Amino acid sequence: GESVGLHLPTLSVQEGDNSIINCAYSNSASDYFIWYKQESGKGPQFIIDIRSNMDKRQGQRVTVLLNKTVKHLSLQIAATQPGDSAVYFCAEITDSWGKLQFGAGTQVVVTP
Amino acid sequence: NAGVTQTPKFQVLKTGQSMTLQCAQDMNHEYMSWYRQDPGMGLRLIHYSVGAGITDQGEVPNGYNVSRSTTEDFPLRLLSAAPSQTSVYFCASSYSGVNQPQHFGDGTRLSIL
Repeated sequence: GESVGLHLPTLSVQEGDNSIINCAYSNSASDYFIWYKQESGKGPQFIIDIRSNMDKRQGQRVTVLLNKTVKHLSLQIAATQPGDSAVYFCAEITDSWGKLQFGAGTQVVVTP
Repeated sequence: NAGVTQTPKFQVLKTGQSMTLQCAQDMNHEYMSWYRQDPGMGLRLIHYSVGAGITDQGEVPNGYNVSRSTTEDFPLRLLSAAPSQTSVYFCASSYSGVNQPQHFGDGTRLSIL
């Protein structure tokens, strides 16, 4: 079936560098995408979202890029900090009822 | 500013027992949902509700029941617990579900022996 997936299961980043987390999706009808951050023992925390009529959206130290041509989503974190160490999930709304479909997640490890 | 509150945080059950996982939100959100998260996997939708009195099945509904008698509460019931239901359960809510980020609780860690 159609699904959302991630290219890299683990990403090691040096503190201060920029991080890029990638996500491929296969449902071309999806209209809304979200990035979540999950720390150990916690629930997913909303980071940033983007609608399909946009190709870029910026937040505080984060940018989400959407390429509908190749069905690719990415999250860029500027000046990565130790507090950014977590699992990051992309998710998409797959129908008009708002059902979220999640990818498997990418573990980001920030090294000093 | 409680947000989404889940209880209990941890629970151990024996096979065949039943229990209810509680979820409450104080944000007046219409849309609520339950997910399970297994090791190395993303979250999978169990059941969801678009408003009081309305529920529907998600991707993995078997073995679970839900009801939505109020806007604030969305309990998840395990009818007869099985070891395959050992997981971390998350409840989430949003204003409308469509094109709105869902806000998650901190989960219930459930072990079935």
